[in-house]
Amino acid sequence: QKEVEQNSGPLSVPEGAIASLNCTYSDRGSQSFFWYRQYSGKSPELIMFIYSNGDKEDGRFTAQLNKASQYVSLLIRDSQPSDSATYLCAVKRGGSNYKLTFGKGTLLTVNP
Amino acid sequence: NAGVTQTPKFQVLKTGQSMTLQCAQDMNHNSMYWYRQDPGMGLRLIYYSASEGTTDKGEVPNGYNVSRLNKREFSLRLESAAPSQTSVYFCASSDLQGETNEKLFFGSGTQLSVL
Repeated sequence: QKEVEQNSGPLSVPEGAIASLNCTYSDRGSQSFFWYRQYSGKSPELIMFIYSNGDKEDGRFTAQLNKASQYVSLLIRDSQPSDSATYLCAVKRGGSNYKLTFGKGTLLTVNP
Repeated sequence: NAGVTQTPKFQVLKTGQSMTLQCAQDMNHNSMYWYRQDPGMGLRLIYYSASEGTTDKGEVPNGYNVSRLNKREFSLRLESAAPSQTSVYFCASSDLQGETNEKLFFGSGTQLSVL
């Protein structure tokens, strides 16, 4: 059973702080790692993907990947109330025969 | 640009009734997917279609059937609805299918209640 584990939260941070969201996965064959954001009552939208060990930055968002530890994280700097949402981690093996496996998501609340 | 369009947005069924959820995308994507999302369970893949003319089972296909009508449209059918199928259903399509950076584009979802 390939699993993607996330702390369900809620994770509560004050406005302007760094929010750190974590995800572990069990399938060592996983090659691609994605973070989707889902606002309450809305559909998921992709905000970051990473496939190489290390950090990848995009604006206020940084994805971090450590394949040896089977760990991927998302850092949100200068958190804003508009960042309050559920963040879904998803992983994928390479190749067309493999599909995304989603974690259950972490609810983030940014308090003004 | 509409993206991925799902209908209906809400539906209430009685146990044993049937219905079809419709999905269409206008991004010329080859791959389309149906997911269900339940509280505490995350997104689970029901069926997918890698390309027009092909469909395959995902994690939770029991009780569902699908049709890839053409490249744009992918429908999900519940033949005899059960309360366990109460969920939010998302259709998605993807570009770069099979590639490392495959991205899913989701529809707005269908909230289905089976009484």
